[in-house]
Amino acid sequence: DAGVTQSPTHLIKTRGQQVTLRCSPKSGHDTVSWYQQALGQGPQFIFQYYEEEERQRGNFPDRFSGHQFPNYSSELNVNALLLGDSALYLCASKPGGSTDTQYFGPGTRLTVL
Amino acid sequence: GENVEQHPSTLSVQEGDSAVIKCTYSDSASNYFPWYKQELGKGPQLIIDIRSNVGEKKDQRIAVTLNKTAKHFSLHITETQPEDSAVYFCAASMRGRGGSNYKLTFGKGTLLTVNP
Repeated sequence: DAGVTQSPTHLIKTRGQQVTLRCSPKSGHDTVSWYQQALGQGPQFIFQYYEEEERQRGNFPDRFSGHQFPNYSSELNVNALLLGDSALYLCASKPGGSTDTQYFGPGTRLTVL
Repeated sequence: GENVEQHPSTLSVQEGDSAVIKCTYSDSASNYFPWYKQELGKGPQLIIDIRSNVGEKKDQRIAVTLNKTAKHFSLHITETQPEDSAVYFCAASMRGRGGSNYKLTFGKGTLLTVNP
């Protein structure tokens, strides 16, 4: 049973560019959340998708947007990249309904130069 | 919003000793408290979690306690081994619309080093 997978593993971009990160949830999971983890910090919640809609959003600007597909996979898009966007971006999935437990993927390391 | 404080930021123990990491949360509506272990270059791995209707939970060498009145919860690792060395994060969340928990609010992490 495959866990949460993310691609790419690493990415280097320059300021002002746009980036798309991808996530496939664990089998049987239909809810996907995205987190940003700066170096030496805990993950910060960006948003959560369920039934192809954004269900909750953290304190991130509109430059951060997402999408969920009918197969429950998800994308995170970041426009107009800033140096401060350099971080590990984590995807977490869980089954729908009232289940609380979230399982994380290995993350995508984004470096903005 | 919810705020989670975690202490200590670093912890060094000898193999076989116990390790304790403590967290406090600010919002009394929080009802779910997971602990994650993160090894270098990897994503967080769930090691144990507890819900607000339970005061203590144990899984082999790992236990978590919750004090709702004081709004704090703790991770206890007994008989530590070198492979327990990692960064540990506590987190808290609460039910949103529809009865499902949405975002996790994390502490800043504890770097645990177990010396052979």
